[in-house]
Amino acid sequence: RKEVEQDPGPFNVPEGATVAFNCTYSNSASQSFFWYRQDCRKEPKLLMSVYSSGNEDGRFTAQLNRASQYISLLIRDSKLSDSATYLCVVNSYGGATNKLIFGTGTLLAVQP
Amino acid sequence: ETGVTQSPTHLIKTRGQQVTLRCSSQSGHNTVSWYQQALGQGPQFIFQYYREEENGRGNFPPRFSGLQFPNYSSELNVNALELDDSALYLCASSLGDRWTEAFFGQGTRLTVV
Repeated sequence: RKEVEQDPGPFNVPEGATVAFNCTYSNSASQSFFWYRQDCRKEPKLLMSVYSSGNEDGRFTAQLNRASQYISLLIRDSKLSDSATYLCVVNSYGGATNKLIFGTGTLLAVQP
Repeated sequence: ETGVTQSPTHLIKTRGQQVTLRCSSQSGHNTVSWYQQALGQGPQFIFQYYREEENGRGNFPPRFSGLQFPNYSSELNVNALELDDSALYLCASSLGDRWTEAFFGQGTRLTVV
């Protein structure tokens, strides 16, 4: 089983739509959770951290459910510029190493 | 723009050859993590360097090796290249495990033919 699993998509949605991405993680010891955005052939960039209390940044809302080991990202009023791959990321401890583990990514294509 | 740069940006190598990829870290950062991203996949952790020492390794064979220098820049070396090594190689610079302040370089796209 992969440490971080997410639906690869693609999600094809019209402009203005609301879209939700989900992710599960297997390591209950994980402490930090993130959504990254990756544009085609570019490096991943941090979109937002995810907290149990939920957090919102403009049109983006992220939620963490530690009991279910489940992370979500909601995008409201989708824009063409939101088209990208969204990567669910958690930290993972192994010995002295604290590293980031990435999901496969979910491809979002916002259509005009 | 971040202060993390990788070189070269693109590279074509022949199977069996060796390659060295380079990463400069953000000023003030002491940790570099390397990732391999195959087409259609998420980045996979290769290894991490903290203050010039390897600080953990993912599920990659020994022909993947690295270094970190006193200025915290880093190299990734791959020996005996295989076709499956074709991927985008990313480095992430951070101050320890302060991930919200971590930045990725633009990556090196390696093609093995």
